[in-house]
Amino acid sequence: GAGVSQSPRYKVAKRGQDVALRCDPISGHVSLFWYQQALGQGPEFLTYFQNEAQLDKSGLPSDRFFAERPEGSVSTLKIQRTQQEDSAVYLCASSLGGGGQGEAFFGQGTRLTVV
Amino acid sequence: EDKVVQSPLSLVVHEGDTVTLNCSYEVTNFRSLLWYKQEKKAPTFLFMLTSSGIEKKSGRLSSILDKKELFSILNITATQTGDSAIYLCAVTNSGGSNYKLTFGKGTLLTVNP
Repeated sequence: GAGVSQSPRYKVAKRGQDVALRCDPISGHVSLFWYQQALGQGPEFLTYFQNEAQLDKSGLPSDRFFAERPEGSVSTLKIQRTQQEDSAVYLCASSLGGGGQGEAFFGQGTRLTVV
Repeated sequence: EDKVVQSPLSLVVHEGDTVTLNCSYEVTNFRSLLWYKQEKKAPTFLFMLTSSGIEKKSGRLSSILDKKELFSILNITATQTGDSAIYLCAVTNSGGSNYKLTFGKGTLLTVNP
């Protein structure tokens, strides 16, 4: 596709519900990132994939958060047993090279609201 | 831990004004500083700066980096209502996590007609 595509754009979940957020990176991009942006804050790093390998998951806030990219393209961020503090915009980004090479292109994000 | 502080946090100007947004940072093994414009939700890339004193320019926007004083500025001249957005500053390091962007909180710019 022309850009990074994320779905859904908006998600309302009841506390305790599981959610899955999808990211379609730019075709051929090796690196894929997930960031979490709370209201009034800058994006914060969650996890990094190089192709299908998850090289860094140090930013995931708890073991309720899980990300995968099984075929090295589409990625899914799953949040189990959602809590109110999980409410945020989840941004996905991709870049052509591995290891931080090249500009990162961001998707429109998914706004998750936990009620 | 890398740290980015942006100021002001918000700014309201009139069309035609010139604005300067500030970004200071603390980074172990600095590699680059990036500016993004965030409208709605997707941050869009503006500039990447790696060397001190070299101005990057794109239309009415320009940016410069001072690696000695550890800051960068983003200037916007002759502002337009379409410049209203959050401007994010981010840094990368050259260590083991060189792929990671560390962002500031952003500056919310509002340009009134």
